[in-house]
Amino acid sequence: EILMTQSPATLSVSPGEKATLSCRASQSVSTNVAWYHQRPGQVPRLLIYGASTRDTGIPARFSGSGSGTEFTFTISSLQAEDFGVYYCQQYNTWPPVFTFGQGTKLEI
Amino acid sequence: QVQLQGSGPGLVKPSETLALTCSVSGGSISRYYWNLIRQSPGKGLEWIGNVYYTGSTKYNPSLKSRVTISVDPSKNQFYLKLTSVTAADTAVYYCARGGMVEAVQVFDIWGQGTLVTVS
Repeated sequence: EILMTQSPATLSVSPGEKATLSCRASQSVSTNVAWYHQRPGQVPRLLIYGASTRDTGIPARFSGSGSGTEFTFTISSLQAEDFGVYYCQQYNTWPPVFTFGQGTKLEI
Repeated sequence: QVQLQGSGPGLVKPSETLALTCSVSGGSISRYYWNLIRQSPGKGLEWIGNVYYTGSTKYNPSLKSRVTISVDPSKNQFYLKLTSVTAADTAVYYCARGGMVEAVQVFDIWGQGTLVTVS
């Protein structure tokens, strides 16, 4: 099973600042990584897939990069509604076993 | 707009079977893979498995011996059965739409989640 390790566990950032989150895969997953955002009491929301492609309706302040085992997710200018937990997910294995990182909690 | 609604008992006794129904509205169940994902404080987000409208399934090996996922296209529903549950199966269970390609599963639509407690 491919393990996805996210860092930091918690990140405190002020509104308007930039936030950078990392995700490391235990083996290469090419660019088959997605990022999700979950606010307390809500369901996860898909933000990024293919490591860098924003899902429909996702604002341009959210971006992703990376390939192989190292991935970065960036929010260029934080807004209050961006607080919550961000998860990375890989979808590169066959037979499929889709795995998530443990999450990074973003505190505004 | 496609929506997912999960339903099932919120409380299951140890050693019994957890059963969950996921209903798809606003679109057809065809052409996509439909997934079950759970979230617990101890293990975070865990993919359980998925089903295609043809009935083809894939399961997480860690749960494969206890999991059955099935589909009824005529009702636009898919189903989870998890047998021999223990306290470790206590979690919020999500229905989620995956992709149209079996190996490319990102989850773009999620149901509201069903909290299942094993006690």
